[in-house]
Amino acid sequence: GMPVEQNPPALSLYEGADSGLRCNFSTTMKSVQWFQQNHRGRLITLFYLAQGTKENGRLKSTFNSKERYSTLHIKDAQLEDSGTYFCAADTGNYKYVFGAGTRLKVIA
Amino acid sequence: NSKVIQTPRYLVKGQGQKAKMRCIPEKGHPVVFWYQQNKNNEFKFLINFQNQEVLQQIDMTEKRFSAECPSNSPCSLEIQSSEAGDSALYLCASSPRGANSDYTFGSGTRLLVI
Repeated sequence: GMPVEQNPPALSLYEGADSGLRCNFSTTMKSVQWFQQNHRGRLITLFYLAQGTKENGRLKSTFNSKERYSTLHIKDAQLEDSGTYFCAADTGNYKYVFGAGTRLKVIA
Repeated sequence: NSKVIQTPRYLVKGQGQKAKMRCIPEKGHPVVFWYQQNKNNEFKFLINFQNQEVLQQIDMTEKRFSAECPSNSPCSLEIQSSEAGDSALYLCASSPRGANSDYTFGSGTRLLVI
């Protein structure tokens, strides 16, 4: 199977709602990075995790290497959160493997 | 604003033409990566460098693609003879260590081959 399985592929949220994205890994990964890609294509780094949980404002991410997953939780969704979110996992081999992305649309 | 600078933002080439794009990595980042993102949002690793040396590259890169990261000059990725299937967003990223460290991405060069 795919080394990184990302779900859901698409998500619509009303402003103020909370939701989560998840990446499952087929093998043990060394670290994970979450990105938001805007409509111009720019990848904005949200989190880098080698383990555990990090929080930044309305975003929170967890990486569990042993259980082979990572999550990104968005709280109180805002219109500017719209975009495509990617997880990318480090195989430890000098390259990241990307998930297929989650297209998020926040609705007013 | 990204600390990894990619130029040009857009590139339009005819089939068979050369296409060259450049990347200035973040200061102090010796490891540079090139990825291709297609219209289905799929990322394909192309090549990476540590300082001026190639660490890894995929077969596709070895045939029509060439890349370099000379000292004191921008890194570059060049497609010798562009094909329609090369139309994609080309993303450059840099990293302080490569393995087990985070990447910073540039804004990308969107190549259209007509």
